[in-house]
Amino acid sequence: GEQVEQLPSILRVQEGSSASINCTYENSASNYFPWYKQEPGENPKLIIDIRSNMERKQTQGLIVLLDKKAKRFSLHITDTQPGDSAMYFCAAITGGADRLTFGKGTQLIIQP
Amino acid sequence: DPKIIQKPKYLVAVTGSEKILICEQYLGHNAMYWYRQSAKKPLEFMFSYSYQKLMDNQTASSRFQPQSSKKNHLDLQITALKPDDSATYFCASSRDSYNNQAPLFGEGTRLSVL
Repeated sequence: GEQVEQLPSILRVQEGSSASINCTYENSASNYFPWYKQEPGENPKLIIDIRSNMERKQTQGLIVLLDKKAKRFSLHITDTQPGDSAMYFCAAITGGADRLTFGKGTQLIIQP
Repeated sequence: DPKIIQKPKYLVAVTGSEKILICEQYLGHNAMYWYRQSAKKPLEFMFSYSYQKLMDNQTASSRFQPQSSKKNHLDLQITALKPDDSATYFCASSRDSYNNQAPLFGEGTRLSVL
């Protein structure tokens, strides 16, 4: 199986600054790490992902880093805007399986 | 337009009753899943199906039974409902299983068991 730990559970940042969310996993066979954003009352939506053959991926103000040795991956949101306020979930898929194991989520609050 | 349709959006049930949650996807995907989200367990894998066959099952209770009548359908039957079953149930799909793809999620069925 797999266990994913996600921190912090709540993150408050000033509008325009950066926000960082960190996740760790246990199973070294995990090789795919998607991130989802979920707004109140809505479904989780994929925002970015990274595979184990990469260390960094960037798209539209989002950066994902993966450190396989430390079994750690992180999401960095640059120049945060009010629309970035939401729950964010990291997840891992272990090679040979097709289930997502999610972290417990981070409530990101962008303060004006 | 949503490509993964879940019905109903809201569902209220009494303890001990049985309900069926409906899911159909129009993405041409071959793999479908059920996940559950509650205050106690944020997002939890339940089942995965590929080409209408059960691939993985994380749910301990036999009260939860997925049913796939067509490749793009994966319903979830829940029997002997308990208040602890109250949660949002998300159906999801991906092109294939075992290919490391992030599934897309439906809009969910919010179940309340009284």
